[in-house]
Amino acid sequence: GDSVTQTEGQVALSEEDFLTIHCNYSASGYPALFWYVQYPGEGPQFLFRASRDKEKGSSRGFEATYNKETTSFHLQKASVQESDSAVYYCALGDGATGGNNKLTFGQGTVLSVIP
Amino acid sequence: DPKIIQKPKYLVAVTGSEKILICEQYLGHNAMYWYRQSAKKPLEFMFSYSYQKLMDNQTASSRFQPQSSKKNHLDLQITALKPDDSATYFCASSQDWGDAETLYFGSGTRLTVL
Repeated sequence: GDSVTQTEGQVALSEEDFLTIHCNYSASGYPALFWYVQYPGEGPQFLFRASRDKEKGSSRGFEATYNKETTSFHLQKASVQESDSAVYYCALGDGATGGNNKLTFGQGTVLSVIP
Repeated sequence: DPKIIQKPKYLVAVTGSEKILICEQYLGHNAMYWYRQSAKKPLEFMFSYSYQKLMDNQTASSRFQPQSSKKNHLDLQITALKPDDSATYFCASSQDWGDAETLYFGSGTRLTVL
């Protein structure tokens, strides 16, 4: 079945550091890929998506590029802020009947940004 | 105003009992979902509904039964509770079925089964 692997369970950075969270997926075809962010006490929130090879998704300074060859969708941000502290989830969609009814999530990466 | 209301926020139950998790959304969305997040597993899809019709069920056990009395309600009944059912249960909704970009999650119900 489909699966998503996030390499880092926890990342600790200082403000203005560069962020990379690694995400690799296993699925057939061209699944849509997503990043979600979860703040304490809340549910996950949609950050952005990409649907085709080499497509870049971005939002709020975060970005990731769909790479079919390496089956990756790594999240990056050039300069993190304390307010970025949250849990980040990579996910892929099943593409059922043209939509993404069922999302498969990675384990999540806890980002802590120290001021 | 809260966009998705999940009640209760915390729930403690004993093994073998039955509980109902409540979910109401005020986003005007046509599709609703349940996901589960346990300590040992990532966020996991359970059910999806569109216009109150069950569209997908990835839960192997019949102990989990969604109930939709209105388009903006999707409750989750869990019977014969087991300690392994301990998890945070997230209700979500989207404008239309499969529209993951408008997928909006509630803040969850944390269930502990003793």
